[in-house]
Amino acid sequence: GNSVTQMEGPVTLSEEAFLTINCTYTATGYPSLFWYVQYPGEGLQLLLKATKADDKGSNKGFEATYRKETTSFHLEKGSVQVSDSAVYFCALSVGTASKLTFGTGTRLQVTL
Amino acid sequence: DVKVTQSSRYLVKRTGEKVFLECVQDMDHENMFWYRQDPGLGLRLIYFSYDVKMKEKGDIPEGYSVSREKKERFSLILESASTNQTSMYLCASRDPSGMRTGELFFGEGSRLTVL
Repeated sequence: GNSVTQMEGPVTLSEEAFLTINCTYTATGYPSLFWYVQYPGEGLQLLLKATKADDKGSNKGFEATYRKETTSFHLEKGSVQVSDSAVYFCALSVGTASKLTFGTGTRLQVTL
Repeated sequence: DVKVTQSSRYLVKRTGEKVFLECVQDMDHENMFWYRQDPGLGLRLIYFSYDVKMKEKGDIPEGYSVSREKKERFSLILESASTNQTSMYLCASRDPSGMRTGELFFGEGSRLTVL
């Protein structure tokens, strides 16, 4: 079956630090990959996506590259801000299947 | 702007009560979903609906049912609430043209406590 594994949180960083949140996946077929973000008190929203190998998704200074050889989709940001504090979810979907499979989420806390 | 509205942000119910969680979207999306979110378990799909009056079981449908009588509304029903259904419930919708991109639009969630 399909699964997504994310690094355990919480991740605590100082403002302007470099962020990496690891995500690896197992999928039957060729998945599309996503990062969703959940700010405190809100629902999830799509942060970025990549639909094929070697694609790079980017948004709001965040980036993630679809690595088929390592089945990974790690989220990175060069300089985090306090406003980036949130829970980040990696997810995948395969082909025309409508279900998204989510990871367990990684909480990021950025301090001044 | 896209809007998914869940009727109740916080609910407290007693064991054995029947619980309705309502979700409305204003984007004319055909697909709608109910997830529950629990610490350490991420999001797990309960039920989804491709279109009006259609429904399919997700990964954890036991103890839940759904209703989709109108395109904009997708209700989650707990026939007899139990304490292990205490959770955050998230509704989402998607335009079918989003099937390739997978973009779901989420509501803010309904936190249910069953005593």
